[in-house]
This record gives sequence, structure tokens and C-alpha cells, in this order.
Amino acid sequence: GENVEQHPSTLSVQEGDSAVIKCTYSDSASNYFPWYKQELGKRPQLIIDIRSNVGEKKDQRIAVTLNKTAKHFSLHITETQPEDSAVYFCAATPQAGGGADGLTFGKGTHLIIQP
Amino acid sequence: DGGITQSPKYLFRKEGQNVTLSCEQNLNHDAMYWYRQDPGQGLRLIYYSQIVNDFQKGDIAEGYSVSREKKESFPLTVTSAQKNPTAFYLCASSVGTANYGYTFGSGTRLTVV
Repeated sequence: GENVEQHPSTLSVQEGDSAVIKCTYSDSASNYFPWYKQELGKRPQLIIDIRSNVGEKKDQRIAVTLNKTAKHFSLHITETQPEDSAVYFCAATPQAGGGADGLTFGKGTHLIIQP
Repeated sequence: DGGITQSPKYLFRKEGQNVTLSCEQNLNHDAMYWYRQDPGQGLRLIYYSQIVNDFQKGDIAEGYSVSREKKESFPLTVTSAQKNPTAFYLCASSVGTANYGYTFGSGTRLTVV
């Protein structure tokens, strides 16, 4: 099955600086890579996703890049703000025969924005 | 809120007891999933269902059971065979498959007393 590794487990950055979280995956058949943000005590929420036919996707201060050859993808947050403090999860899933076995998640990155 | 409801929010289980966690969605999503979240472990897949009356085991299905009698409902039973059930349980649904992203419920925190 799929295995997703996520680094770092904790990331502390100064407010206004950029943050980068990296993930690698093992199954070359994976073709969908979402990122979720989970604030303390709340449910994970989808913030951005990318499919394997695209190398980069941006949404305001958030961007995701995908390198299928190297099997890694990254989340980039620019001009970080206090409300960006949360745990971020990457995930991957292969699509087999038109269905999917569910997302495999990384272990999460606790992003801390220092004022 | 958000179209997928989990209950209860907190649940306490005695040793040897079975407990059932509820998950209901009104999003008309075909696929539903149960994940377990432990500190530092991320989210691990317990069971998932793509259609009514059908479900598959995930990575950590031992000690758990599910049913999918209705499209809207996907209850999870934590049986006495689950030796370490204390965790945060998250239910999710998606339009068709996981490739369209999940909507998560607000979770149930289960504690063994």
C-alpha cells in the first residue's frame, strides 16, 4: 500500500516569513495529493490539492508543488500570519479501477508562527 | 455543521465494552471513511465504504466493525477486541472517491476508563 512521509514534524517561523512542508510517497500510481489544516480541537479542512497532471497550483498565499519523478510534493505558505498556526497533513491516494482505497496521510507538521 | 455529523463528541468506555460511534452526512456523498487520530501518528484508516451495503478494511481494522445500511450513515463499533481504543475518531465523506477530497466530521474522543 501507499506510505507517506512528512517533514518536519514541527516548524517554527517568524510571522511574515515563508514556511515549507515536504512529503514523499511510495506508490507511483498515486495521482491525487491534498493538504489539510487542522486547528486545535477542530476537524481537518482541505486547503489545497493537486493532481498528477499538474506540477504546481497556487491559491493566494498557499501553493503546492509536485514532482512525480521523485515522488514528492510540498506545501508552501508565504507571508505567514498567526492564523496559519495549526497542524498540516499531506495525503496521497492511488486510483485503481476507477475507485480509491482512501487517503493515506502523513503524520502531520505542527506549524508555529512566532510573533 | 459542514453536512457531516459525528456523535457523541466525548465517549467513555469501560474495559470489555463495545461502543458505537455515529456518523451521519447529508451531502449525498457516496463514499465514507473512518480514521483514527493519535498524537504524532497522523490519521490512520480503519474502514471505508464506497457504496451502500459494501465496505472494506483499512490499515488498522482489527477490533473495529462497521455497517453501511443507508447512504447517509456509517456507524463504527469499537469492540472489546480493540486493546487500545483511546483515541480521536474522525469520520469523513467524499463525492465519489478519495480523489475528490474529504469533508470531515468534528470527531469523537473515546476514552477507556
